[in-house]
Amino acid sequence: AQSVTQLGSHVSVSEGALVLLRCNYSSSVPPYLFWYVQYPNQGLQLLLKYTSAATLVKGINGFEAEFKKSETSFHLTKPSAHMSDAAEYFCAVRYSGNTGKLIFGQGTTLQVKP
Amino acid sequence: DTAVSQTPKYLVTQMGNDKSIKCEQNLGHDTMYWYKQDSKKFLKIMFSYNNKELIINETVPNRFSPKSPDKAHLNLHINSLELGDSAVYFCASSPPAGTDGYTFGSGTRLTVV
Repeated sequence: AQSVTQLGSHVSVSEGALVLLRCNYSSSVPPYLFWYVQYPNQGLQLLLKYTSAATLVKGINGFEAEFKKSETSFHLTKPSAHMSDAAEYFCAVRYSGNTGKLIFGQGTTLQVKP
Repeated sequence: DTAVSQTPKYLVTQMGNDKSIKCEQNLGHDTMYWYKQDSKKFLKIMFSYNNKELIINETVPNRFSPKSPDKAHLNLHINSLELGDSAVYFCASSPPAGTDGYTFGSGTRLTVV
């Protein structure tokens, strides 16, 4: 079954510290991978996407993610957390095919402490 | 201009009522979707339309009926609302299956009392 797993439903970091949010997908065929951010009471905003062009993907707001086929992972990182990064983060996978359904992970709440 | 707009933003209604949520996109995308986000923030796809044709119909009670009058609009009608229908409903659009992600609306928070 096609799925994506986010390890850790809640991550807390201090302002200025490294942010690492984990995502693993299940597939023998590399899918398209995405990270979305959801601020309170808002919709989802695309942070970045992996589409097989490059394994290290840079996104908005200083976030980046690295696709590792051997680990079936697509972890999201940011070198230095800012208070404004506090939000819900979703990893999502989209497989090729005529439906192109986007399947989301369970989400990770990022808390940034001053 | 908002790329994907949903109305209303908030909807409070009594059990047993029928309600509709409207969605419009001005991105020229062929495909539109409805997602449900539950109280634990889990996002699950409900329906997808490609150029007015239903292509995804997940396991959703038949009280939920999507309608797409044209490829820029996808509405969601819910009959006989139940307490368990309380959630945030997101509309989204995308180009046909491929490398692009979805563009989401800001959501409709439905509360059934």
